[in-house]
Amino acid sequence: SAVISQKPSRDICQRGTSLTIQCQVDSQVTMMFWYRQQPGQSLTLIATANQGSEATYESGFVIDKFPISRPNLTFSTLTVSNMSPEDSSIYLCSETKGAGGFDEQFFGPGTRLTVL
Amino acid sequence: TQLLEQSPQFLSIQEGENLTVYCNSSSVFSSLQWYRQEPGEGPVLLVTVVTGGEVKKLKRLTFQFGDARKDSSLHITAAQPGDTGLYLCAGPFSNFGNEKLTFGTGTRLTIIP
Repeated sequence: SAVISQKPSRDICQRGTSLTIQCQVDSQVTMMFWYRQQPGQSLTLIATANQGSEATYESGFVIDKFPISRPNLTFSTLTVSNMSPEDSSIYLCSETKGAGGFDEQFFGPGTRLTVL
Repeated sequence: TQLLEQSPQFLSIQEGENLTVYCNSSSVFSSLQWYRQEPGEGPVLLVTVVTGGEVKKLKRLTFQFGDARKDSSLHITAAQPGDTGLYLCAGPFSNFGNEKLTFGTGTRLTIIP
């Protein structure tokens, strides 16, 4: 199992502003992931954050909009930049104890973002 | 492109009834995982199936991996209100060496007491 915390748990933001979401895991891991879950929908991977290298973004997501930091093996941040109402979603981080991205993932509780 | 399609998308049944949720793909997967997500929480892994035709049981939940490893099903016997949640299948996907999980479209299950 794993203990993963996210801050903030929820926020309401104004259009055009930015929000940084923090993810803390309880043990050192190589791979961390950031997902978006739009209302009533499944999870969509935004990017993979590996310590010591640039994040790898999925199609449709760019670094300018979703900059990610991974300063050490237990912490990562995701920033949602220049927000619009379409960015209203739950943002989840996850990590895997396994050797690769195919293994079981442990998720944080999510950050519920509402953009007005 | 969503590689894993789940059906039904929504399901609402009475406590005590049985149900089956399906996860289908045109692609072959080396394994499939099933997660359950409750409101305000992240998904939690229920099971991983790795062999074609494999059947795994977790109390009242029975998971099956298709012989061709393109589909999976989740059967719940005598559903209880605690089974309410979003059920997600997930499979490994590799793109230019980047390993990740791709999640299915999800089935939102509501068990009515």
